[in-house]
Amino acid sequence: QVQLKESGPGLVQPSETLSLTCTVSGFSLTSYSVSWVRQPSGKGPEWMGRMWYDGDTAYNSALKSRLSISRDTSKNQVFLKMNSLQTDDTGTYYCTRDESIPFAYWGQGTLVTVSS
Amino acid sequence: DIQMTQSPSFLSASVGDRVTLSCKASQNINKYLAWYQQKLGEAPKLLIYNANSLQTGIPSRFSGSGSGTDFTLTISSLQPEDVATYFCLQHNSWPDTFGAGTKLELK
Repeated sequence: QVQLKESGPGLVQPSETLSLTCTVSGFSLTSYSVSWVRQPSGKGPEWMGRMWYDGDTAYNSALKSRLSISRDTSKNQVFLKMNSLQTDDTGTYYCTRDESIPFAYWGQGTLVTVSS
Repeated sequence: DIQMTQSPSFLSASVGDRVTLSCKASQNINKYLAWYQQKLGEAPKLLIYNANSLQTGIPSRFSGSGSGTDFTLTISSLQPEDVATYFCLQHNSWPDTFGAGTKLELK
């Protein structure tokens, strides 16, 4: 059974760095790509970046200067780090499994609030 | 980036109604359009991919059509459990982009 679960701090101070972990089960990170997608409350989702199955990465150009995605295949985990957070970075952050169709499976999401 | 415009933003319909949601791309995306359903407090769920292919386990009352720039999601007979927000996604051109959504409510 394919499962993804996001974890991380619910509250981040402005200008600080966000660190999130996506722990997967039911598939191998060397066979499937994993994306990070975020969604402000009441708005449409936004693709942030992707860890390809071969270890390569791709980023949304709007976030590329602040974003880093990495993985630990031995722990079945994909990591997101984004710096210089502002209030408009508040929202729910999801990791997804990508197939020939992107975002085929989603984690439950984790709410991140940027506030002092 | 390709802009995805969904209409209407809100839709109110009755159980049993045929419901049609629209998604327009700012440029040609061929068939690379997917539809997602998001119920309140849940993650989005894939319904339709490649414009008209039904994801495994999705009821047959959902169908998709279109190509190029104009796409449609149709629910043939609305059920109470279909109350949700529906998003379209294009994955023809990098970066993948979503529409803002159509919120579907019961009348």
